[in-house]
Amino acid sequence: GEQVEQLPSSLIVQEGASVLINCSYTDSASVYFPWYKQEPGKRLQFIIDIRSNMERKQTQRLTLLFDKKTKHLSLHITATQPGDSAIYFCSASIGSFNKLTFGAGTRLAVCP
Amino acid sequence: EAAVTQSPRNKVTVTGGNVTLSCRQTNSHNYMYWYRQDTGHGLRLIHYSYGAGNLQIGDVPDGYKATRTTQEDFFLLLELASPSQTSLYFCASAGGGRDQNTLYFGAGTRLSVL
Repeated sequence: GEQVEQLPSSLIVQEGASVLINCSYTDSASVYFPWYKQEPGKRLQFIIDIRSNMERKQTQRLTLLFDKKTKHLSLHITATQPGDSAIYFCSASIGSFNKLTFGAGTRLAVCP
Repeated sequence: EAAVTQSPRNKVTVTGGNVTLSCRQTNSHNYMYWYRQDTGHGLRLIHYSYGAGNLQIGDVPDGYKATRTTQEDFFLLLELASPSQTSLYFCASAGGGRDQNTLYFGAGTRLSVL
């Protein structure tokens, strides 16, 4: 089945820095790639997604890049704030029943 | 915002014990899911359902049963709990309206099997 790998597993940055989270997947049938964020003590929430017919998607300070050939995604967060501190999860789906396979997560800490 | 409620929030049981985790969503979503979250593994799908009476097997189903009694209610059953099932369990729902692909998660149930 699908496997999703994320790197790095953790990041510590100063407020205002940019960060890059990398994600790779194995199943070429995957077509939908949502990302979720889990802030301390809060529920997971959707932050951004991309489909396999796109190469780039941006929303506010988040930019998601997708390379179908290499089966690789990267999430770029600019101008980080302490409120961005969370675990970020990459996921992949072949599209049926919204069945997602998640990566192990990247724990981001933004220091003021 | 979509509402997904899990109960209990915390549960401690002994090896061999019987546990039922409950999930209710009030957003008329068709799809419901049970995931477990463990350090180093992220979230892994246990069972899911696309409607009342329907059940699909996820990626880590061993030791778990599930039942979808209504569109709103999805239960996860551990009939002979083992320490390896100590984990944080999340329920999620999806399938409504414009953001039909977005999963809405509950707050989680922390289960300890001693």
